[in-house]
Amino acid sequence: KQEVTQIPAALSVPEGENLVLNCSFTDSAIYNLQWFRQDPGKGLTSLLLIQSSQREQTSGRLNASLDKSSGRSTLYIAASQPGDSATYLCAHDQGAQKLVFGQGTRLTINP
Amino acid sequence: KAGVTQTPRYLIKTRGQQVTLSCSPISGHRSVSWYQQTPGQGLQFLFEYFSETQRNKGNFPGRFSGRQFSNSRSEMNVSTLELGDSALYLCASSSPGNEQYFGPGTRLTVT
Repeated sequence: KQEVTQIPAALSVPEGENLVLNCSFTDSAIYNLQWFRQDPGKGLTSLLLIQSSQREQTSGRLNASLDKSSGRSTLYIAASQPGDSATYLCAHDQGAQKLVFGQGTRLTINP
Repeated sequence: KAGVTQTPRYLIKTRGQQVTLSCSPISGHRSVSWYQQTPGQGLQFLFEYFSETQRNKGNFPGRFSGRQFSNSRSEMNVSTLELGDSALYLCASSSPGNEQYFGPGTRLTVT
């Protein structure tokens, strides 16, 4: 059974810091890995999709990497801002659009 | 392009009743997936439909069912509601193998 683990469960940092969120998965035979953010009581916003043939993707201040051999993905956020405060979720695509989610990292950026 | 829409946004039902939730995907997307989000279990996959066919199903009882119409709109139904069915229900749409886009969710409360 595929499991996705995110560490840490919560993170609080001052504004302006660079930070890394971690995601590990047990099955290296993945299709895609997707990072989302979720604001309280809201739906999920897609941040980055890394397809299985790729090693990283970048969008603005966000960079996500994928290492299938070690079963890990990281989301790097540069120059954090208070608006980045949210829960960040990684999800592994098991095929046929079935995503298996981690429990998320609750990020707080302090002004 | 309009995003994924879900109706209703909020719903209160009584134990034993049934409920139907609706999801309209992004135009051109033929795959629709449904997820349940609770504080204890996190995000869990319910089922996925593509071209009116259920391709994948999660580990939920038969009280949870769904369907997809020829215009790719999807509905999910929960019969004989239990208190534990209280959750945020999210749907996502995508093109095969690509990024999944989520709707705002339907918040179901069972009393």
